[in-house]
Amino acid sequence: GNSVTQMEGPVTLSEEAFLTINCTYTATGYPSLFWYVQYPGEGLQLLLKATKADDKGSNKGFEATYRKETTSFHLEKGSVQVSDSAVYFCALSDPSSYGKLTFGQGTILTVHP
Amino acid sequence: GAVVSQHPSRVICKSGTSVKIECRSLDFQATTMFWYRQFPKQSLMLMATSNEGSKATYEQGVEKDKFLINHASLTLSTLTVTSAHPEDSSFYICSARYHGGGTYEQYFGPGTRLTVT
Repeated sequence: GNSVTQMEGPVTLSEEAFLTINCTYTATGYPSLFWYVQYPGEGLQLLLKATKADDKGSNKGFEATYRKETTSFHLEKGSVQVSDSAVYFCALSDPSSYGKLTFGQGTILTVHP
Repeated sequence: GAVVSQHPSRVICKSGTSVKIECRSLDFQATTMFWYRQFPKQSLMLMATSNEGSKATYEQGVEKDKFLINHASLTLSTLTVTSAHPEDSSFYICSARYHGGGTYEQYFGPGTRLTVT
């Protein structure tokens, strides 16, 4: 079956530090990959996505590249801000599962001034 | 575009009562909606897939008689927690699937915090 594994958190950084959150996946087909962000008490917002190998998704300074050879989709940002503090979820959608999302366990990011 | 709303945002109910949560796609039609449950500091657990005009498909281990799902129109799905108990207290999130640009994407509602006393 499909699965997503994220690096364990929590991750605590100082403002303007570099961020990497690792994500690897297992899928039977050719999945689409996503990063979602969840702010406290809210639902999930799509941060970025990639639908095929070597695609790079980017948004709000975050980026992630779909690496089929390493089955990875690591999230990066060059300079984090306090407002980036949230929970980040990596997810995949396998076409054979009719759009169902499989989520990683989530990584809590806290950015201090 | 692609906005999903949920109502109510918070609800407190007494043990043994039923609670209905609504999920609406505001600016698109969603033939498929999903219901998730999220425990504190944990990931989302898919409960069921709701298709307009047909019965919901429940994930293994989810009690279909306890969590009643109705998808009566292309913009509305409801989740009713029947005979709620304190262990049903959780954050319930819905999503609606949008087909655009050749890919399917899910757009999430803001969630409903259910507390059963």
